[in-house]
This record gives sequence, structure tokens and C-alpha cells, in this order.
Amino acid sequence: DGGITQSPKYLFRKEGQNVTLSCEQNLNHDAMYWYRQDPGQGLRLIYYSQIVNDFQKGDIAEGYSVSREKKESFPLTVTSAQKNPTAFYLCASSIRLRPDTQYFGPGTRLTVL
Amino acid sequence: EDKVVQSPLSLVVHEGDTVTLNCSYEVTNFRSLLWYKQEKKAPTFLFMLTSSGIEKKSGRLSSILDKKELFSILNITATQTGDSAIYLCAASGNNDMRFGAGTRLTVKP
Repeated sequence: DGGITQSPKYLFRKEGQNVTLSCEQNLNHDAMYWYRQDPGQGLRLIYYSQIVNDFQKGDIAEGYSVSREKKESFPLTVTSAQKNPTAFYLCASSIRLRPDTQYFGPGTRLTVL
Repeated sequence: EDKVVQSPLSLVVHEGDTVTLNCSYEVTNFRSLLWYKQEKKAPTFLFMLTSSGIEKKSGRLSSILDKKELFSILNITATQTGDSAIYLCAASGNNDMRFGAGTRLTVKP
């Protein structure tokens, strides 16, 4: 089955710890994206990557880092510099330069205690 | 600055009512307008609109785009409790999609 997976579904961390969220896709998509969603709000773009070994900051990149070493994988690290990391994180992938073809993963809910 | 604005932010109706959700956008190199339904998990795709004035329909849901006024609406007729969700509007450019804050729809029995 083709799709996009995120793990874990729920994640708890202590304040000050870095944490890495996984995103994997087998749709053969070139582009991948990370969004953050806070309660009652829409999706805000953190980072996106149109091709392997290249990525761009979105609107709220501060306190986050990414890598794109493989086409299938786009992990997101939430660093201790992110002041309010508790949120729902969504990963998506699409055809290159066609963000309107995005498929979303199931999301990871991160809670920082 | 690119932006997408949805209204209302919250709406409570009773089963059987008809609702209209609004979305205005300003996005560089606009390509398409998308509507999603979100129920406590990942958004699910409803419609993609690229041409003005052409209504898209799926059951009780319909949507239309006005590229001159930079506006789209999503209509839901004969609402059901299962329509309760957050409805997200997104405008696509070349590199990314800009999302609105969403409209939280609650349908009461």
C-alpha cells in the first residue's frame, strides 16, 4: 500500500529535550512538508523540501530542524529552542512543485511536560 | 504577504440546516484553492478548485471559486451530526500551500 506514515502517534518529552519526529512516504513524491497545528487553528508550515538534500524554511522554522538525506524520509527535530513545542505535527508529501497534490500523514501529537 | 482568511471561525447549527463557509485568499502565483475536512486527525481532501465560476459537488457538499474577488465558499446542505469537524481552506502557490485558521462546525441533533 502506498502512503505516508508518521511515528510515533503520541510523544511525551520533558522540557529542554530535543525530540525527532519521523515521516516516511512510499509514494515516490519528491516534495515533503512539515506543518504544526495548535488547538483551534489551521496548519502552519515549518519546513518543506522539494528535492533530496534541499529544504526551505516555512513561516515558523525557528526552534526546528530537518534533514532530507533520502527521498522517502523527512525527519523533523524539535529542539529545546522551540519555546512552545506542544502541538499536533503533520507531515505531507506531494509531486514536486505541486503542493496541491499533498497527501497527509496521520500526525504526531507532541506534549512537552 | 500571503494569507488565507476563513469565516466564521466557529459555527453551531442544527441537523438539516444549510451552512456556508467562507474563504478569502491572497497568494503569490496562485494555482488552486483546496478544501479539507479535519476530524481530530489528518485533514481529508474535499475539493480542489482552479477555475472561476465552476461549481464542484460531492453529495451534500459543494464549492465554488471566484478568482476575480479571490474568494471561495463551501456549502453543506441538510447538515448531519457527522459533518461536525474543522473545515480548512488552503491556497496553493508554486512551492507551498497557505492554510486558513479553519471553521469549526458543530451540528447538533
